[in-house]
Amino acid sequence: QVQLQESGPGLVKPSETLSLTCTVSGDSITDYYWNWIRQPAGRGLEWIGRINTSGSTNFNPSLKSRVTMSLDMSKNQFSLRLSSVTAADTAMYYCARDPFRSSFDPWGQGTLVTVSS
Amino acid sequence: EIVLTQSPGTLSLSPGERATLSCRASQSVSSSDLVWYQQKPGQAPRLLIYGASSRATGIPDRFSGSGSGTDFTLTITRLEPEDFAVYYCQQYERPPLYTFGQGTKLEIK
Repeated sequence: QVQLQESGPGLVKPSETLSLTCTVSGDSITDYYWNWIRQPAGRGLEWIGRINTSGSTNFNPSLKSRVTMSLDMSKNQFSLRLSSVTAADTAMYYCARDPFRSSFDPWGQGTLVTVSS
Repeated sequence: EIVLTQSPGTLSLSPGERATLSCRASQSVSSSDLVWYQQKPGQAPRLLIYGASSRATGIPDRFSGSGSGTDFTLTITRLEPEDFAVYYCQQYERPPLYTFGQGTKLEIK
């Protein structure tokens, strides 16, 4: 059974870079699309971007200028970097797999990131 | 960008009743690219339905999805106490972009 777990700092200062890692267990990260999604408290879901095992990336146009993603198959991990953060980037951040069904399954439990000085 | 609008915003029903949740798209969506999730407080969303009508692994058959084009529906027959949650629809379009509806909260009446 595939499981995903997010990790990274819970507090980031404004204008700095948010960095998160998702560790995949129960299967090898050798196929599919690997995604980041976020959800501000009490609000809806926003797709951030995805990466595949060829290293090809796609990003939400609203965030594209600030997002980078990478993948480390040796560690079964993929990562998100979001630069120049503001309070509007405060949210629960989830990693999730897209098993080529245009959907997300499974999801990690999420990690809360707060942007504050 | 395709915008998904879910209705109602909140649905108040009792256990044992039938729930009908709507997801309307601003443009036609391929049925293969329309998905439903359930999210309970403090938890990540859980995949319920993919391809508009296919249940994900382990999802009870009281959950069903239907629809095509711009109108899609999630139906829950005989509501169980654990079904009260927020439900999101989501679509995928090309170039790659996934978007979600704003959610429907299903609450106990």
